[in-house]
Amino acid sequence: DGGITQSPKYLFRKEGQNVTLSCEQNLNHDAMYWYRQDPGQGLRLIYYSQIVNDFQKGDIAEGYSVSREKKESFPLTVTSAQKNPTAFYLCASKSGQGDTEAFFGQGTRLTVV
Amino acid sequence: RKEVEQDPGPFNVPEGATVAFNCTYSNSASQSFFWYRQDCRKEPKLLMSVYSSGNEDGRFTAQLNRASQYISLLIRDSKLSDSATYLCVVNYNTDKLIFGTGTRLQVFP
Repeated sequence: DGGITQSPKYLFRKEGQNVTLSCEQNLNHDAMYWYRQDPGQGLRLIYYSQIVNDFQKGDIAEGYSVSREKKESFPLTVTSAQKNPTAFYLCASKSGQGDTEAFFGQGTRLTVV
Repeated sequence: RKEVEQDPGPFNVPEGATVAFNCTYSNSASQSFFWYRQDCRKEPKLLMSVYSSGNEDGRFTAQLNRASQYISLLIRDSKLSDSATYLCVVNYNTDKLIFGTGTRLQVFP
């Protein structure tokens, strides 16, 4: 089935460790996005990529890094520099043509202890 | 000022009521607009796109006012199943997708 897959669904890490969240899509979409959502809050843009080997910072990129080596993959690394990493992370993709729908993965709940 | 602003609510309405949400955006370069729905602890899903001429999908009507830089969503004949958070989304011409903070709707019997 076509779609966007995030893994794992739940992730626990110790403070000070880097952790990488996976996002894969088989929709042949050009654009991919990472958002962070805190309880009772909206989605805040971390990074986005319009094309392979290119990506742009969003509003809260500090403490995060991404790569886009393949069209279908856009992993997010939460580094130890991120002060409050515990959150719900959502990945999305869309065909890079204006007003098309963005599809989301089911999200990864990261808890740092 | 946030790029996309919404009243967080919650809006508590009885079944059958009509409810309206507004959303304002600050960047006039915004190209396209959407309303997404998010259920508790789930991913957002597209409710409807918002077109300049306004558009309707069943009980839902979306409007765009570019001059005043706001979009609206009207829900008629509210159902219990409409209870969710409604997110306003703005797409800039660089394909940067910005979400509002969301408006929570609770429909009660």
